[in-house]
Amino acid sequence: DIQLTQSPSFLSASVGDRVTITCRASQGISSYLAWYQQKPGKAPKLLIYTASSLQSGVPSRFSGSGSGTEFTLTISSLQPEDFATYYCQQLNSYPLTFGGGTKVEIK
Amino acid sequence: QVQLQESGPGLVKPSETLSLTCTVSGGYISDYYWTWIRQPPGKGLEWIGYMYYGGSTNYNPSLKSRVTISVDTSKNHFSLKLTSVTAADTAVYYCATITGEDAFDIWGQGTMVTVSS
Repeated sequence: DIQLTQSPSFLSASVGDRVTITCRASQGISSYLAWYQQKPGKAPKLLIYTASSLQSGVPSRFSGSGSGTEFTLTISSLQPEDFATYYCQQLNSYPLTFGGGTKVEIK
Repeated sequence: QVQLQESGPGLVKPSETLSLTCTVSGGYISDYYWTWIRQPPGKGLEWIGYMYYGGSTNYNPSLKSRVTISVDTSKNHFSLKLTSVTAADTAVYYCATITGEDAFDIWGQGTMVTVSS
């Protein structure tokens, strides 16, 4: 199985901050990586697919980059509605796997 | 726009079979791959498996011996069966699918299943 390691697991930030979350894969996954946002009691919401493509309707302050084994999700200017948990997921090979999550909280 | 809705018992006894259904609206069961994902309380996401209406399936090896995903085209829904459940199977269960690019863009709201006697 491909392991995905997210860092940090917890992040405290202020509105307006630039935030970067990293996801490292245990082996190369090309660009088959997605990012999701999950708020308490809700299903995950797709933000980014194929590492850097912005899902329709997602604000442009979200961006993704990377390929191979290292990927990043960046929020250029954190907004109040962005406080949530973020997960990466690889879709390169089965079984599909998720990172452990990064919880973004208000400083 | 495809929408998904999970349904099924919220409480299952240990050693019994967990059975959930995901009803598809706004689309046809024959169009996409249908997936189940679960999330234990306070923990991360685990992919359970998928089925395509034509019959192809792929299950997480960690659950493969206990999982069956099936599709009912007449009812436009798909189902999950997980046998011999234990407390470790307590989780929110989500159905999901890919209607666009290579990621899960459509999710159900999730249904909490507790395994307890």
